[in-house]
This record gives sequence, structure tokens and C-alpha cells, in this order.
Amino acid sequence: DAGVIQSPRHEVTEMGQEVTLRCKPISGHDYLFWYRQTMMRGLELLIYFNNNVPIDDSGMPEDRFSAKMPNASFSTLKIQPSEPRDSAVYFCATRPDVNTGELFFGEGSRLTVL
Amino acid sequence: AQSVTQLGSHVSVSEGALVLLRCNYSSSVPPYLFWYVQYPNQGLQLLLKYTSAATLVKGINGFEAEFKKSETSFHLTKPSAHMSDAAEYFCAVIRSGGYNKLIFGAGTRLAVHP
Repeated sequence: DAGVIQSPRHEVTEMGQEVTLRCKPISGHDYLFWYRQTMMRGLELLIYFNNNVPIDDSGMPEDRFSAKMPNASFSTLKIQPSEPRDSAVYFCATRPDVNTGELFFGEGSRLTVL
Repeated sequence: AQSVTQLGSHVSVSEGALVLLRCNYSSSVPPYLFWYVQYPNQGLQLLLKYTSAATLVKGINGFEAEFKKSETSFHLTKPSAHMSDAAEYFCAVIRSGGYNKLIFGAGTRLAVHP
């Protein structure tokens, strides 16, 4: 299996622009998580999905952030409009089922907002 | 609520020396505990996990961790450090029984000197 695939790996944009980060989960994994990593706040869970349905979005910072999972093989995290404080590494991770605690992480998308 | 505390944001050892990275957890129910490693510009990967079987858990790359309920600890050790062990290490906890939020510690950056 190719693992969790994220794109783009690096994104540099200007404040106010829309940013879309993409994730292709491992086939057959029922859970998908979006995390954000910064020096100041460490790893923060933003949102997670179970069988394509958003279950908990309490970690989403504000309305500028939205996430979708239209099918089992694709998810997006969108920031509109972006701000410099959104600069971070965004990770997508998946999990096979409710009984497996282990998460499988993608390599992350490094976002820089100027 | 579950949480983990990693003591020491930076640890430095000499090549060949013992590695000890500390993690204490807080959980009202029996937890599942994990250690993840993150190499530069990569996602997190699982080192080892405790899921209420043996209290001494062996992982990849010669690492192991011991679950001590009396001390609420899950420290990570390796008898002899190698240069390739330089990375950031994260302790994480999830409540057993299907609760889905994996909570990460702040991380410990391990430096290995020749």
C-alpha cells in the first residue's frame, strides 16, 4: 500500500488567498484525521471523519477552515481566506477501525502564508 | 480527560549512551499508549504501542517502553543510541474502548552526538 498521500507537500501563498490541501487515505481505513503542527502549539487535532462523515470538528480554529470527505478515497482541508498565523504543517492520518489505536500519517503539507 | 506530559523538550546523548525519554499520562480509564517518531520533514510513524497486554513493550529500531500504572508512566528507552535516532519523539494516549481522539504530548527532540 502506498500509505497516506498528501498534496501539495509545500504551499506558499499570500494572505487572503484560498488554500486547499488534499489527502488520499489508505484504502479500507474507516477513520481520517486532520492535524496541524506548529512550534507553539504542537500537534492539534482539527477534525476527524468516520466513514466519510465528520464526527468532531471542535478543533477547527474558525470558520475560515472547512474540511470535506466526499468519498472514501479523498479528503480536503480548505482555508479561505488564509492568514499568516495559519502557517503550519498540516497532517492527514488514517486509522483502520475503532479498535485500532494506531494512526498512519502522511508526510504533511507545509503551508506558508505571507 | 486523557493527557500526556513529556518531561524535557530537548534531550542530548552521546552515541552509544542510554536513551531515556519520559512520558507521564493522565487517564481516568485504562489507556492505550503510543510512542511515535518524527524525522525531519516527514510524518509521524509508530515506534511502539501499549494496549493492556504485556507491560514491557518492544518496538522498532531497538526501542522499548514500560507501562507502570503505579507511576502513571510510559517512558521510552534504548540501551545504545545511534546517530540515526536523532528525531522528535511524541508520546500519545487514547482511551480504550473506542474513543477516537489520540492526544499527543508536546514532543521531545533527541540529539545524538558522536
